[in-house]
Amino acid sequence: GAVVSQHPSRVICKSGTSVKIECRSLDFQATTMFWYRQFPKQSLMLMATSNEGSKATYEQGVEKDKFLINHASLTLSTLTVTSAHPEDSSFYICSARDLKRGEYNEQFFGPGTRLTVL
Amino acid sequence: AQSVTQLGSHVSVSEGALVLLRCNYSSSVPPYLFWYVQYPNQGLQLLLKYTTGATLVKGINGFEAEFKKSETSFHLTKPSAHMSDAAEYFCAVSDSGYSTLTFGKGTMLLVSP
Repeated sequence: GAVVSQHPSRVICKSGTSVKIECRSLDFQATTMFWYRQFPKQSLMLMATSNEGSKATYEQGVEKDKFLINHASLTLSTLTVTSAHPEDSSFYICSARDLKRGEYNEQFFGPGTRLTVL
Repeated sequence: AQSVTQLGSHVSVSEGALVLLRCNYSSSVPPYLFWYVQYPNQGLQLLLKYTTGATLVKGINGFEAEFKKSETSFHLTKPSAHMSDAAEYFCAVSDSGYSTLTFGKGTMLLVSP
């Protein structure tokens, strides 16, 4: 149980295009989802927290208009990187939390999406 | 604000040897502490967590960690390393059951035959 999927696992795009990454909780309802960015050999940096049905809360320094987050249902959150540039190339990881199942703040992580912008 | 310090970006051990990965935290309130493992190009998998109660926490794959408040530490140990333990390990802290996680920079565990 507590499986989180991400799609796609890898994406290569041209500079200036937009890319959408999906994060799904497969066997539970995720009241909250988190989006992280991980640079090579570095830690996870929280980008934003999204709660179903409300606007995402972005961390300081993260551009809201560039990283659009939508949490339209209890099982799906999407991250859209708009007008992507090479510096946006990174490993993006989502996680989901179910207050019914994941007490004590346990987050269930997706497998990540490797974005390469040419 | 909370923070996590993981000493040593890389730790090398021989197969069968003791594994010790260090984690120190800073928190103004009683912390919730976590260890996650990440294999290449994959997401994070929870190894173990400390919330309240017993300070020695046992996790999956034979790992355990001990919460030491006086030392503000939550070191991860395993008595005998396996080749399959080679991965990146992240320590994380939160200040409640519902707040966000703050991660350390990670420690890459290398296991040699």
